[in-house]
Amino acid sequence: DAGVTQSPTHLIKTRGQQVTLRCSPKSGHDTVSWYQQALGQGPQFIFQYYEEEERQRGNFPDRFSGHQFPNYSSELNVNALLLGDSALYLCASSRTTGLREKLFFGSGTQLSVL
Amino acid sequence: AQSVTQLGSHVSVSEGALVLLRCNYSSSVPPYLFWYVQYPNQGLQLLLKYTTGATLVKGINGFEAEFKKSETSFHLTKPSAHMSDAAEYFCAVSESQGGSEKLVFGKGTKLTVNP
Repeated sequence: DAGVTQSPTHLIKTRGQQVTLRCSPKSGHDTVSWYQQALGQGPQFIFQYYEEEERQRGNFPDRFSGHQFPNYSSELNVNALLLGDSALYLCASSRTTGLREKLFFGSGTQLSVL
Repeated sequence: AQSVTQLGSHVSVSEGALVLLRCNYSSSVPPYLFWYVQYPNQGLQLLLKYTTGATLVKGINGFEAEFKKSETSFHLTKPSAHMSDAAEYFCAVSESQGGSEKLVFGKGTKLTVNP
């Protein structure tokens, strides 16, 4: 079992560009959540996808958008990148939208915006 | 909204000493509580969680935490630190909205273990 896989592992972009990050959930999981972890901070919830719909959203601007595909994989898109978007982006998957089931995290994508 | 406060951004202990990482939370409803560990350049790994029932929760790698409702605390302990315990530790609380749940994390505590 490959667990949660994220790609790419590292990415460098310049201000104003757009970026797409990808996540494949653990086998058997149908719910994907995305978190942003700035340097020296705890992860912050961006949004959660279940049944190809956004189920819950954190306090992030509309520049952050996502998608879930029929095979449960997910993408996170960020438009008009700002320096402050530099962070580790973590994907987590689970079997339900609740937290009674264990949440599995990927190793993340490190995004640097120059 | 729920929140989590981790007291001490850095904690340093000697190998074999007691590890105590502090976490206080605010929640308007009985929460689920979690401790995660993050090693350099890796994602988060669940150490333990409290949902309901016994307030003393045992996790992996010899860690345990006690849920104290009256003190709104969920401190993480380990009787004897190993060098391999050096990592960053995050306390988190669940927050529900519209039938789904998310994690609200503290800012983390970096644990250093000295030989």
